[in-house]
Amino acid sequence: NAGVTQTPKFRVLKTGQSMTLLCAQDMNHEYMYWYRQDPGMGLRLIHYSVGEGTTAKGEVPDGYNVSRLKKQNFLLGLESAAPSQTSVYFCASSHLMTGGLTEAFFGQGTRLTVV
Amino acid sequence: AQTVTQSQPEMSVQEAETVTLSCTYDTSESNYYLFWYKQPPSRQMILVIRQEAYKQQNATENRFSVNFQKAAKSFSLKISDSQLGDTAMYFCAFGRAGNQFYFGTGTSLTVIP
Repeated sequence: NAGVTQTPKFRVLKTGQSMTLLCAQDMNHEYMYWYRQDPGMGLRLIHYSVGEGTTAKGEVPDGYNVSRLKKQNFLLGLESAAPSQTSVYFCASSHLMTGGLTEAFFGQGTRLTVV
Repeated sequence: AQTVTQSQPEMSVQEAETVTLSCTYDTSESNYYLFWYKQPPSRQMILVIRQEAYKQQNATENRFSVNFQKAAKSFSLKISDSQLGDTAMYFCAFGRAGNQFYFGTGTSLTVIP
């Protein structure tokens, strides 16, 4: 049972380059999220999706775009990478439960370095 | 907006001893969930324990237990009989309707042999 899978796990980019991070979940979860983790700042929400074909901005969306064309996939794009985007990126998903809330399930993270 | 505060950036504990990690949160909602996640050096985020706000009984999971004080908006994690494998970053998280999650800045815990 794979859960949430992120690719790639590591990446080095030059300033101005573009890339896409892929997140795939096999739990049929409705909600998916992209977070970035920086030292001393915890996890900050970049963008999220409440269902196939929908996306919304989180706390730190600038410089990123997302797409959710299929329910199981959530893509995070960097159009023109900047050193400030050096971070560890986490994808997560959660299930919509009537009258309740499940926890967020996380991928293994992607360490991105922009030089 | 919800905020989650972890005021202890770093903590250490002797192996086999007990340690308590603090977390406070701010919300105007009455129905919500609280979580503790563990992030070992492998970077994987692992759920340690969860608490539903409508439940008065504190959650426990083996050596891990919480002290949930709803009126004080406090949600601390107690780790008993600490083990070397407990060395990790611990994040407190708040979950609300609409499947929105808010995370604290984390506490780095080191278990000393």
